[in-house]
Amino acid sequence: SAVISQKPSRDICQRGTSLTIQCQVDSQVTMMFWYRQQPGQSLTLIATANQGSEATYESGFVIDKFPISRPNLTFSTLTVSNMSPEDSSIYLCSVGPWADTQYFGPGTRLTVL
Amino acid sequence: KNEVEQSPQNLTAQEGEFITINCSYSVGISALHWLQQHPGGGIVSLFMLSSGKKKHGRLIATINIQEKHSSLHITASHPRDSAVYICAVSSEETSGSRLTFGEGTQLTVNP
Repeated sequence: SAVISQKPSRDICQRGTSLTIQCQVDSQVTMMFWYRQQPGQSLTLIATANQGSEATYESGFVIDKFPISRPNLTFSTLTVSNMSPEDSSIYLCSVGPWADTQYFGPGTRLTVL
Repeated sequence: KNEVEQSPQNLTAQEGEFITINCSYSVGISALHWLQQHPGGGIVSLFMLSSGKKKHGRLIATINIQEKHSSLHITASHPRDSAVYICAVSSEETSGSRLTFGEGTQLTVNP
């Protein structure tokens, strides 16, 4: 199994600022996934973060807006840069599947004013 | 057309009722997941399946690979089952761990 923690759990930010979200896993993992869930919507994959290489971004997401770090096998950060109200979402990291289970962090609820 | 479609979008039931949530997908998959999301936002994995049927307590998940369809059943529903249920698939063409999600089904079970 895996236990995932995220920081912060929620934040309220001003337009034009940046926020870095941390994701910590209690096991070593090769791939970590960052998802966004906009209000009333389902999850959308932002990028896949592999340790030791550049993150792979999905269509519609770019590194300048969502830079990702993956310094080791248990940790990753996602930065939401130059924020606008449209970035208000829940951001989740995820790993797996292991033993038929996909694991998700508790999420970071971001509100941009 | 979304790669993963769920129905219904919203479902209200009385406690004790049998509930079915459906998921159809249009791509070849390596696995299908059923997830549960509570109002606080946390997501819990219920099932991962690539064929047949799985059961855990009052929850049953089935998949028909030929028809590209899966169902999640809840027997003897209870108000604590109220949550959003999300179907997600991992495509054969991409990493097995990369998921594509349906829109979710909001389930409300009234006492």
